[in-house]
Amino acid sequence: SQQGEEDPQALSIQEGENATMNCSYKTSINNLQWYRQNSGRGLVHLILIRSNEREKHSGRLRVTLDTSKKSSSLLITASRAADTASYFCAHVGSNFGNEKLTFGTGTRLTIIP
Amino acid sequence: GAGVSQSPSNKVTEKGKDVELRCDPISGHTALYWYRQSLGQGLEFLIYFQGNSAPDKSGLPSDRFSAERTGGSVSTLTIQRTQQEDSAVYLCASSTGVVSNTGELFFGEGSRLTVL
Repeated sequence: SQQGEEDPQALSIQEGENATMNCSYKTSINNLQWYRQNSGRGLVHLILIRSNEREKHSGRLRVTLDTSKKSSSLLITASRAADTASYFCAHVGSNFGNEKLTFGTGTRLTIIP
Repeated sequence: GAGVSQSPSNKVTEKGKDVELRCDPISGHTALYWYRQSLGQGLEFLIYFQGNSAPDKSGLPSDRFSAERTGGSVSTLTIQRTQQEDSAVYLCASSTGVVSNTGELFFGEGSRLTVL
């Protein structure tokens, strides 16, 4: 399977702390994306990082990408109760014509007020 | 509406019956994707469309599953002779660009299918 894996599967932290989630994948990629899913809802795009980028920021989000290790991390700083959700990474393989976005298994994040 | 619309939001059916799930993408989005999400699991790719064509249908689990898209807009996912293992949330997403470049997916709220 080309599905990515995320680590940890579940994470609980106190409000105000930073949350770090990791993602690994198996193929060469064009880009890697992170999505968020609130319980019972659809997914919402958070950030995209290209294969030639190493780090990207968006508000309280920081994403890193290490293509040599085939891994990415998502850091959420100064967490809030509203950040409670599942977070998924997704990648697009770099083989020609590939437009399939393959999702990881997800990290369930719980922020404790 | 401004977002991706899916219907029905909930469907309960008996084993062996056929079901149709509908997706109305964001206007102007050329790419449309179907995913399946079992309880507490990640997303399983089913099929994607570029316009009315389906360049990649590799994720369809069996020949009981089919999908079509007409007019470069609405898509229907059909499951024939449903089985209990088909129970899941079926998510549709659309994109204005190609995901291999900068395209991000916009998801609907999903259709929850329960097969009794």
